[in-house]
Amino acid sequence: GAGVSQSPRYKVAKRGQDVALRCDPISGHVSLFWYQQALGQGPEFLTYFQNEAQLDKSGLPSDRFFAERPEGSVSTLKIQRTQQEDSAVYLCASSQGTVLGAFFGQGTRLTVV
Amino acid sequence: KQEVTQIPAALSVPEGENLVLNCSFTDSAIYNLQWFRQDPGKGLTSLLLIQSSQREQTSGRLNASLDKSSGRSTLYIAASQPGDSATYLCAVRLSGYALNFGKGTSLLVTP
Repeated sequence: GAGVSQSPRYKVAKRGQDVALRCDPISGHVSLFWYQQALGQGPEFLTYFQNEAQLDKSGLPSDRFFAERPEGSVSTLKIQRTQQEDSAVYLCASSQGTVLGAFFGQGTRLTVV
Repeated sequence: KQEVTQIPAALSVPEGENLVLNCSFTDSAIYNLQWFRQDPGKGLTSLLLIQSSQREQTSGRLNASLDKSSGRSTLYIAASQPGDSATYLCAVRLSGYALNFGKGTSLLVTP
């Protein structure tokens, strides 16, 4: 596609519910990143994929967070047993390489009530 | 961890003014630095990317400079317009994969 596409754009979850957030990167982009952006803050790194390999997951805040990219294209970020502190905008980005510019999607705004 | 600081946090200027946004970082061993624009409720739009070997990049009315030794970058916006109103984010990449972001400068350009 022309850009990075994320779905859904908005998600309201009851506390304790599991959610899945989808990212379609730019076609041919090897690198894929997930970031979490709390209100009024800059994005914080969650995890990085190079093709299907998850090379860095050091930013995932707990074992309730899980990301996958099984075929090296579409990625899913799953959050189990959501809590209120998980409320944030989740941004996906892709790039042709790690040292090249990153292109971001519009994000998924998750609200946990 | 790389700390990225952006000053000022907010800025309001009349249309037509030239302005400078500042970004500082604590670790000078960076691969690159990127400036982004974020509009309310939207994702990030890349404005300029400066590799560690470069001193500046220009795109239209935007000019970004990089001084690795002092850990600073500036984004210069010439002849500001109301459409420039947005949050501007600075992000630094070290040897790893992650971009380290500042909290941003919220810019308002008034007609």
